[in-house]
Amino acid sequence: NAGVTQTPKFQVLKTGQSMTLQCAQDMNHEYMSWYRQDPGMGLRLIHYSVGAGITDQGEVPNGYNVSRSTTEDFPLRLLSAAPSQTSVYFCASSYRAEAFFGQGTRLTVV
Amino acid sequence: AQSVTQLDSHVSVSEGTPVLLRCNYSSSYSPSLFWYVQHPNKGLQLLLKYTSAATLVKGINGFEAEFKKSETSFHLTKPSAHMSDAAEYFCVVSARYSSASKIIFGSGTRLSIRP
Repeated sequence: NAGVTQTPKFQVLKTGQSMTLQCAQDMNHEYMSWYRQDPGMGLRLIHYSVGAGITDQGEVPNGYNVSRSTTEDFPLRLLSAAPSQTSVYFCASSYRAEAFFGQGTRLTVV
Repeated sequence: AQSVTQLDSHVSVSEGTPVLLRCNYSSSYSPSLFWYVQHPNKGLQLLLKYTSAATLVKGINGFEAEFKKSETSFHLTKPSAHMSDAAEYFCVVSARYSSASKIIFGSGTRLSIRP
């Protein structure tokens, strides 16, 4: 079982560059979400989706875009990277409120 | 709406002594509650979950948690700490009967184990 697959695992970006973090799940879960993890702040919700074609903002959405064209995929786009977006990013899919996480992407913006 | 508060950002115990990590929650709906553990530079691992029925929930590695509705608490305990328990622990709340409920994390508690 692949579960939730995130790519890449590590990324260094220059300020102003754009990139997409990929997330795919093979469990047919309707609910998917993106979090960022910063020291002392736990995991904060960036965006989430309750099904294909439906997305909504979480707690810290600024600077990020998402789309959900299929049940399996939920990419997170950084349009113009900023140093404040240096963080570890986790994608999750959920069924009956239990979340299954990817292994995370460590992103550094210089 | 849901929220969760982890009352201690850092807990330090001696090996072999009990562990208590405190979590209080707020939820407009019947909550599902979870504890996750994250070892350094690793992903998130589910320790245990409360979704209904028994209020005392047993998880992996000897951990357990008790759901107390009257106190809105879901504290994590372990009778005897092991060095391998050193990690970050997250309490998580969601709405139990919703497949589309937001999953909200606490800010985490770092557990250190003294030899």
